[in-house]
Amino acid sequence: GENVEQHPSTLSVQEGDSAVIKCTYSDSASNYFPWYKQELGKRPQLIIDIRSNVGEKKDQRIAVTLNKTAKHFSLHITETQPEDSAVYFCAARSWGNEKLTFGTGTRLTIIP
Amino acid sequence: NAGVTQTPKFQVLKTGQSMTLQCAQDMNHEYMSWYRQDPGMGLRLIHYSVGAGITDQGEVPNGYNVSRSTTEDFPLRLLSAAPSQTSVYFCASSVGGTMYGYTFGSGTRLTVV
Repeated sequence: GENVEQHPSTLSVQEGDSAVIKCTYSDSASNYFPWYKQELGKRPQLIIDIRSNVGEKKDQRIAVTLNKTAKHFSLHITETQPEDSAVYFCAARSWGNEKLTFGTGTRLTIIP
Repeated sequence: NAGVTQTPKFQVLKTGQSMTLQCAQDMNHEYMSWYRQDPGMGLRLIHYSVGAGITDQGEVPNGYNVSRSTTEDFPLRLLSAAPSQTSVYFCASSVGGTMYGYTFGSGTRLTVV
């Protein structure tokens, strides 16, 4: 089955700097890659996703890139703000497979 | 729309007790799943369903049962609670097809003593 690895497990950045979280996946048939943000005590919420026919997608300060050849995808957050502090999860899903496999999460802390 | 509704929010069980975690969605989603979240281990899939009457096992199914008699409801049953089942449980739903993400419920924090 699919295996998703996520790095780093913790990340601290100064407010205003950029943050990058990286994930690799094992199943070459995977074609959908969402990112979730989970604030303390809350549910995971979808913040951005990318499909395999696209190499990059942006939504304001958040962007995701996908390298299908290397089987990795990354989340980029620019101009970080205190409200970006949370745990971020990447995930992967493959065609014909209903299961969504998650990485182990990155705890992002924005230092004021 | 209420989205995905989970009950209860908190529960304490004694070892060996059984209980059912409830999950309901009002978005007419075909896919529903149960995940457990433990520190440092991310979200692990317990059971999932692609439609009423159809269920399948995920990564960590032992000790849990599910059923999907309607599109809206997907209850998770703990047969004989063990301390290893202490966790936060999330129910999630998605439209059909594999190119969509899941919407999560607010979670149930379960402690087994």
